[in-house]
Amino acid sequence: GAGVSQTPSNKVTEKGKYVELRCDPISGHTALYWYRQSLGQGPEFLIYFQGTGAADDSGLPNDRFFAVRPEGSVSTLKIQRTERGDSAVYLCASSDRTSSNGLNEQFFGPGTRLTVL
Amino acid sequence: AQSVTQPDIHITVSEGASLELRCNYSYGATPYLFWYVQSPGQGLQLLLKYFSGDTLVQGIKGFEAEFKRSQSSFNLRKPSVHWSDAAEYFCAVGARDTGRRALTFGSGTRLQVQP
Repeated sequence: GAGVSQTPSNKVTEKGKYVELRCDPISGHTALYWYRQSLGQGPEFLIYFQGTGAADDSGLPNDRFFAVRPEGSVSTLKIQRTERGDSAVYLCASSDRTSSNGLNEQFFGPGTRLTVL
Repeated sequence: AQSVTQPDIHITVSEGASLELRCNYSYGATPYLFWYVQSPGQGLQLLLKYFSGDTLVQGIKGFEAEFKRSQSSFNLRKPSVHWSDAAEYFCAVGARDTGRRALTFGSGTRLQVQP
Protein backbone atom coordinates (compact mmCIF):
# COMPACT_ATOMS: atom_id res chain seq x y z
CA GLY A 1 0.00 0.00 0.00
CA ALA A 2 0.97 3.64 -0.26
CA GLY A 3 3.27 5.06 2.36
CA VAL A 4 3.38 8.54 3.82
CA SER A 5 3.61 11.16 1.10
CA GLN A 6 4.72 14.76 1.40
CA THR A 7 4.39 17.64 -1.01
CA PRO A 8 6.22 19.47 -2.31
CA SER A 9 9.46 17.53 -2.20
CA ASN A 10 11.37 20.78 -2.44
CA LYS A 11 10.33 24.33 -1.62
CA VAL A 12 12.45 27.43 -2.12
CA THR A 13 11.11 30.67 -0.71
CA GLU A 14 12.30 34.10 0.27
CA LYS A 15 12.75 35.37 3.77
CA GLY A 16 9.50 36.73 5.13
CA LYS A 17 7.22 34.65 2.93
CA TYR A 18 4.53 32.20 4.04
CA VAL A 19 4.78 28.49 3.20
CA GLU A 20 2.57 25.44 3.56
CA LEU A 21 3.85 21.89 3.64
CA ARG A 22 1.48 18.99 3.16
CA CYS A 23 1.48 15.48 4.56
CA ASP A 24 -0.70 12.55 3.49
CA PRO A 25 -0.44 9.81 6.11
CA ILE A 26 -0.97 6.12 5.60
CA SER A 27 -4.67 5.46 5.22
CA GLY A 28 -6.28 4.63 8.56
CA HIS A 29 -3.44 5.90 10.71
CA THR A 30 -4.84 8.02 13.49
CA ALA A 31 -1.58 9.51 14.74
CA LEU A 32 0.47 12.01 12.72
CA TYR A 33 3.77 13.63 13.62
CA TRP A 34 5.86 16.47 12.23
CA TYR A 35 9.61 16.57 12.73
CA ARG A 36 12.29 18.94 11.46
CA GLN A 37 15.74 17.74 10.43
CA SER A 38 18.48 20.30 10.07
CA LEU A 39 21.66 19.50 8.18
CA GLY A 40 23.82 17.03 10.06
CA GLN A 41 21.27 16.51 12.79
CA GLY A 42 18.65 13.98 13.72
CA PRO A 43 14.96 14.75 13.40
CA GLU A 44 13.51 17.05 16.07
CA PHE A 45 9.89 16.74 17.11
CA LEU A 46 7.53 19.56 16.28
CA ILE A 47 3.93 18.46 16.81
CA TYR A 48 1.77 15.34 17.20
CA PHE A 49 -1.85 14.86 16.22
CA GLN A 50 -4.19 12.16 17.46
CA GLY A 51 -7.12 12.41 15.10
CA THR A 52 -7.95 16.03 14.41
CA GLY A 53 -6.49 17.51 17.55
CA ALA A 54 -2.94 18.47 18.37
CA ALA A 55 -2.12 16.26 21.35
CA ASP A 56 1.39 17.66 21.80
CA ASP A 57 2.71 20.84 20.18
CA SER A 58 5.58 21.34 22.59
CA GLY A 59 8.17 21.13 19.81
CA LEU A 60 6.92 24.07 17.76
CA PRO A 61 9.75 26.61 18.01
CA ASN A 62 7.60 29.75 18.05
CA ASP A 63 4.24 31.13 17.01
CA ARG A 64 5.28 31.42 13.38
CA PHE A 65 4.74 27.68 13.13
CA PHE A 66 1.27 26.19 13.04
CA ALA A 67 -0.17 22.88 11.89
CA VAL A 68 -3.67 21.62 11.21
CA ARG A 69 -5.35 18.32 10.52
CA PRO A 70 -8.99 19.28 10.03
CA GLU A 71 -10.42 15.91 8.98
CA GLY A 72 -8.05 13.64 10.83
CA SER A 73 -6.14 12.62 7.73
CA VAL A 74 -4.10 15.11 5.69
CA SER A 75 -2.07 17.62 7.68
CA THR A 76 -0.59 20.96 6.70
CA LEU A 77 2.36 22.59 8.43
CA LYS A 78 2.25 26.35 8.03
CA ILE A 79 5.19 28.68 8.54
CA GLN A 80 4.68 32.42 8.58
CA ARG A 81 7.33 35.09 7.99
CA THR A 82 9.95 32.48 7.13
CA GLU A 83 13.51 33.01 8.30
CA ARG A 84 16.76 31.57 6.94
CA GLY A 85 17.03 29.46 10.08
CA ASP A 86 13.83 27.64 9.09
CA SER A 87 15.72 25.95 6.26
CA ALA A 88 15.59 22.22 6.93
CA VAL A 89 13.93 18.99 5.85
CA TYR A 90 10.47 18.72 7.33
CA LEU A 91 9.47 15.12 7.96
CA CYS A 92 6.02 13.75 8.52
CA ALA A 93 5.27 10.40 10.11
CA SER A 94 2.12 8.47 10.90
CA SER A 95 1.27 5.54 13.09
CA ASP A 96 -1.66 3.40 14.02
CA ARG A 97 -3.38 3.92 17.36
CA THR A 98 -0.83 3.47 20.12
CA SER A 99 -0.89 -0.02 21.57
CA SER A 100 -1.06 -0.57 25.29
CA ASN A 101 2.43 -1.98 25.58
CA GLY A 102 4.47 0.59 23.76
CA LEU A 103 4.81 3.07 20.98
CA ASN A 104 3.62 1.91 17.60
CA GLU A 105 6.05 2.25 14.73
CA GLN A 106 6.13 5.66 13.14
CA PHE A 107 6.26 5.45 9.35
CA PHE A 108 8.11 8.39 7.85
CA GLY A 109 7.60 10.19 4.59
CA PRO A 110 10.49 11.31 2.35
CA GLY A 111 10.31 14.86 3.65
CA THR A 112 10.03 18.35 2.21
CA ARG A 113 13.29 20.21 1.83
CA LEU A 114 12.62 23.87 2.65
CA THR A 115 15.17 26.47 1.63
CA VAL A 116 14.68 30.06 2.77
CA LEU A 117 16.81 32.52 0.82
CA ALA B 1 14.44 15.49 29.64
CA GLN B 2 15.51 12.56 27.54
CA SER B 3 18.51 12.74 25.22
CA VAL B 4 20.40 10.46 22.86
CA THR B 5 24.09 10.49 22.04
CA GLN B 6 25.62 8.83 19.01
CA PRO B 7 29.34 9.40 19.54
CA ASP B 8 30.45 8.44 16.04
CA ILE B 9 29.52 10.93 13.34
CA HIS B 10 31.04 8.90 10.54
CA ILE B 11 32.18 5.27 10.31
CA THR B 12 33.81 3.48 7.40
CA VAL B 13 33.94 -0.31 7.21
CA SER B 14 34.90 -2.77 4.53
CA GLU B 15 32.24 -4.88 2.92
CA GLY B 16 31.93 -8.14 4.80
CA ALA B 17 33.33 -6.72 8.02
CA SER B 18 31.35 -6.52 11.23
CA LEU B 19 29.71 -3.32 12.38
CA GLU B 20 28.79 -1.76 15.70
CA LEU B 21 27.15 1.64 15.98
CA ARG B 22 27.01 3.16 19.43
CA CYS B 23 24.03 4.76 21.11
CA ASN B 24 23.78 6.08 24.64
CA TYR B 25 20.68 7.61 26.14
CA SER B 26 19.74 9.69 29.11
CA TYR B 27 16.36 9.02 30.65
CA GLY B 28 14.95 8.62 34.13
CA ALA B 29 13.68 5.12 33.52
CA THR B 30 14.02 2.55 30.77
CA PRO B 31 12.76 4.19 27.61
CA TYR B 32 11.44 2.68 24.44
CA LEU B 33 14.43 2.35 22.09
CA PHE B 34 14.60 2.42 18.32
CA TRP B 35 17.07 2.31 15.47
CA TYR B 36 16.15 3.92 12.14
CA VAL B 37 18.04 4.01 8.84
CA GLN B 38 17.88 6.85 6.35
CA SER B 39 19.13 6.40 2.79
CA PRO B 40 19.64 9.43 0.53
CA GLY B 41 16.30 10.76 -0.66
CA GLN B 42 14.42 8.19 1.39
CA GLY B 43 12.36 8.41 4.50
CA LEU B 44 13.45 6.95 7.79
CA GLN B 45 12.92 3.20 8.02
CA LEU B 46 12.62 1.34 11.29
CA LEU B 47 15.29 -1.34 11.73
CA LEU B 48 14.32 -2.58 15.17
CA LYS B 49 12.83 -1.57 18.51
CA TYR B 50 13.07 -2.51 22.17
CA PHE B 51 10.11 -2.28 24.47
CA SER B 52 10.70 -4.96 27.09
CA GLY B 53 11.82 -8.56 27.55
CA ASP B 54 14.85 -10.02 25.84
CA THR B 55 17.56 -7.38 25.75
CA LEU B 56 18.94 -8.65 22.43
CA VAL B 57 16.61 -7.51 19.69
CA GLN B 58 16.59 -8.77 16.13
CA GLY B 59 15.63 -6.47 13.30
CA ILE B 60 15.39 -6.33 9.55
CA LYS B 61 18.30 -6.61 7.11
CA GLY B 62 20.31 -8.75 9.52
CA PHE B 63 20.71 -6.06 12.19
CA GLU B 64 20.49 -6.62 15.92
CA ALA B 65 20.81 -4.38 18.96
CA GLU B 66 21.47 -5.03 22.61
CA PHE B 67 19.97 -3.02 25.43
CA LYS B 68 22.34 -2.64 28.38
CA ARG B 69 20.63 -0.90 31.27
CA SER B 70 23.83 -0.55 33.31
CA GLN B 71 25.51 1.34 30.49
CA SER B 72 22.40 3.19 29.22
CA SER B 73 23.29 1.89 25.79
CA PHE B 74 21.52 0.38 22.82
CA ASN B 75 24.25 -0.43 20.30
CA LEU B 76 23.42 -1.62 16.81
CA ARG B 77 25.37 -4.51 15.31
CA LYS B 78 25.64 -6.45 12.09
CA PRO B 79 28.03 -9.38 11.61
CA SER B 80 28.74 -8.77 7.92
CA VAL B 81 28.11 -5.45 6.23
CA HIS B 82 26.86 -5.20 2.65
CA TRP B 83 27.49 -2.27 0.32
CA SER B 84 23.77 -1.51 0.40
CA ASP B 85 24.02 -0.78 4.13
CA ALA B 86 25.70 2.54 3.41
CA ALA B 87 23.31 5.11 4.88
CA GLU B 88 22.73 7.26 7.95
CA TYR B 89 21.63 5.52 11.12
CA PHE B 90 19.66 7.14 13.91
CA CYS B 91 19.04 5.92 17.42
CA ALA B 92 15.87 7.21 19.08
CA VAL B 93 14.14 6.98 22.42
CA GLY B 94 10.51 7.28 23.38
CA ALA B 95 9.08 8.04 26.80
CA ARG B 96 7.69 5.11 28.71
CA ASP B 97 6.19 6.80 31.72
CA THR B 98 4.81 10.13 30.52
CA GLY B 99 2.62 9.04 27.65
CA ARG B 100 4.47 11.42 25.37
CA ARG B 101 4.53 10.00 21.85
CA ALA B 102 7.32 12.08 20.33
CA LEU B 103 10.63 10.39 19.65
CA THR B 104 13.97 11.95 20.56
CA PHE B 105 16.66 11.20 18.01
CA GLY B 106 20.41 11.21 18.16
CA SER B 107 22.39 13.20 15.62
CA GLY B 108 23.09 10.13 13.53
CA THR B 109 26.04 8.06 12.33
CA ARG B 110 26.89 8.03 8.65
CA LEU B 111 28.08 4.62 7.50
CA GLN B 112 30.33 4.30 4.50
CA VAL B 113 31.10 0.84 3.10
CA GLN B 114 34.31 0.24 1.20
CA PRO B 115 34.46 -2.50 -1.45
